[in-house]
Amino acid sequence: GAGVSQSPRYKVAKRGQDVALRCDPISGHVSLFWYQQALGQGPEFLTYFQNEAQLDKSGLPSDRFFAERPEGSVSTLKIQRTQQEDSAVYLCASSQGTDTDTQYFGPGTRLTVL
Amino acid sequence: GIQVEQSPPDLILQEGANSTLRCNFSDSVNNLQWFHQNPWGQLINLFYIPSGTKQNGRLSATTVATERYSLLYISSSQTTDSGVYFCAACSGTYKYIFGTGTRLKVLA
Repeated sequence: GAGVSQSPRYKVAKRGQDVALRCDPISGHVSLFWYQQALGQGPEFLTYFQNEAQLDKSGLPSDRFFAERPEGSVSTLKIQRTQQEDSAVYLCASSQGTDTDTQYFGPGTRLTVL
Repeated sequence: GIQVEQSPPDLILQEGANSTLRCNFSDSVNNLQWFHQNPWGQLINLFYIPSGTKQNGRLSATTVATERYSLLYISSSQTTDSGVYFCAACSGTYKYIFGTGTRLKVLA
């Protein structure tokens, strides 16, 4: 079936604007992850969902970041009042089970805050 | 928390050469994965390997959990192998920590 998709692929925002990034996981996958990847670095964990429950949001950088997965499938990462330091690639991944399992990544959304 | 270190940071190979990439982790882990990030940014899972050895075509991986390291072997490298290789380790149930990667360039 289809892999993980993300939209938009590219987003340019002016500082102070709010943005919403969407992730469509593989159908039926229970687990969903959001990561932030700065240039030249590895992905860093932001948050984890098991179905619609957000079990861990310890990696969210500030209270300007908010994620949801209301029906246990599509997820949205929202960033309020964007700052230049928010510029990065935001990656979504899903896995089939609830335990450690192979993660399948989407292509990412490259956010640039001017 | 757990720390993950990868070496070498950069690697240039001639097509057809073999290479070994290393991943060290600071604490015991429940799981470890290797990923390839292609030049377009797409992360592809290569191996899910908490312990032991696995092979997939020209790639193989070995994790020695008791000694806290994992190795990724690439044989007969091709230009399409270029990109960044990440290992990611998990000491709990879902929170993976990624290393900083090995940047591989294979020359034709």
